Amino acid sequence: QQQVKQSPQSLIVQKGGISIINCAYENTAFDYFPWYQQFPGKGPALLIAIRPDVSEKKEGRFTISFNKSAKQFSLHIMDSQPGDSATYFCAASKNANAGKSTFGDGTTLTVKP
Amino acid sequence: DTAVSQTPKYLVTQMGNDKSIKCEQNLGHDTMYWYKQDSKKFLKIMFSYNNKELIINETVPNRFSPKSPDKAHLNLHINSLELGDSAVYFCASSLAGKDRGKLFFGSGTQLSVL
Repeated sequence: QQQVKQSPQSLIVQKGGISIINCAYENTAFDYFPWYQQFPGKGPALLIAIRPDVSEKKEGRFTISFNKSAKQFSLHIMDSQPGDSATYFCAASKNANAGKSTFGDGTTLTVKP
Repeated sequence: DTAVSQTPKYLVTQMGNDKSIKCEQNLGHDTMYWYKQDSKKFLKIMFSYNNKELIINETVPNRFSPKSPDKAHLNLHINSLELGDSAVYFCASSLAGKDRGKLFFGSGTQLSVL
C-alpha cells in the first residue's frame, strides 16, 4: 500500500520554465507535507513544507499548492535553473509520529540550459 | 560544521560479514532515524530513536540492530550481510515540537555487498 504517490517519475524543463511535481496521499491523518531536494551523492535536504491549514506556501521560486479535499499537493519551481536539476521527494507525516515520514518515489528533474 | 555526519561514506564488503555505520548530529535534536534508499531511490524509514529510546522499528530483518549511546549518536550494526542489503543508508535527525517532521539528513553511506 503506497500512501504517497508522486508523479511524474522524471521531468525535463527548459531553463526559465516552470517545473511542476505532483503528489497524492491517502491517509487523512497526515498533517505535515514537506518537499526534499536531493543531489547525487548527498542526502535529501528540506526545501519547503506546508501544513493543511493553508492552501499555498511560497518561498522564493518554490511554491507548494495544497488541496485538502483532493488529498493532493504539488511543488512548483518557477524560473527553473540548471542548478535545480536534482531528485525531488514529497513526503507526509502525522503530527503524533512526525518523524516517521512516508516518502513519494521521487522525481528526477533535469533543467536544460 | 556538518550538522548530521555519518561514517563511512562508502562500505564495500563480502556477503556474510558484519559491519557498522556511525552517525552523529550536532543540531541538539532529540530524535534520530535510519532511512534506507534503494537503487530506485525509494526512501523508507527503518528505525527511530527519541532520547535513546527506540520508538519506530519498521519491518526490518533482525540482522539490523540500531544502538543509541546518547541522543546525539545513532549507530547501525548489520550482521550476516546479504546481497539485498546493498543500498544507501541515511541517518537523519529532527527536533521535537511542531517542526518534528522536518528531517535533517546526513550525506549517506553507500553499502555494497559482494
